[in-house]
Amino acid sequence: QKEVEQDPGPLSVPEGAIVSLNCTYSNSAFQYFMWYRQYSRKGPELLMYTYSSGNKEDGRFTAQVDKSSKYISLFIRDSQPSDSATYLCAMKDTGAGGTSYGKLTFGQGTILTVHP
Amino acid sequence: EAQVTQNPRYLITVTGKKLTVTCSQNMNHEYMSWYRQDPGLGLRQIYYSMNVEVTDKGDVPEGYKVSRKEKRNFPLILESPSPNQTSLYFCASTTSGRETQYFGPGTRLLVL
Repeated sequence: QKEVEQDPGPLSVPEGAIVSLNCTYSNSAFQYFMWYRQYSRKGPELLMYTYSSGNKEDGRFTAQVDKSSKYISLFIRDSQPSDSATYLCAMKDTGAGGTSYGKLTFGQGTILTVHP
Repeated sequence: EAQVTQNPRYLITVTGKKLTVTCSQNMNHEYMSWYRQDPGLGLRQIYYSMNVEVTDKGDVPEGYKVSRKEKRNFPLILESPSPNQTSLYFCASTTSGRETQYFGPGTRLLVL
């Protein structure tokens, strides 16, 4: 079983729809939770970052973390064609010696297409 | 502009021919790492470095080498590439207190 599981999709939605992307994980040591967006032929870019449990909102994007269920979500409201990309969840623990350098563990990525 | 650069962006080679993919960052970051991205597997860490002359294995280090002689550079070396190393490679960097990593644009490698 992978440490982080993410439905690869693909997911196709009409413009304006609410999109829900999810990941589950098995490692209870994960403390930092991130969502990256990756456009075609580009490197991943950080979209949202959350520490421990809770919600975080940034414009049309909301990230949720439920550590008790080992489940994280990314919601996109009023989706736009420019949101079409691969979305990757990523997680890490505190790293060796208490540093924050611990490596990122990624989900497989979900391919999202928002059509006009 | 703060960035991570990789070269080359695209590379076709043959089995056994040594190659190096360069990575450079201009943000004075201590931590650098290499990932490979394969369909259905996401990004997996190959090697990482916490500072100059300090490197360690990630999840899939077999067939790869790295070195960190300068803070800004972290080259990935394939001494005898094989077809199963055909992949998309990303270099990333970060610094203490930052919980994210900054990724380069990727290097697409095909080993025949």
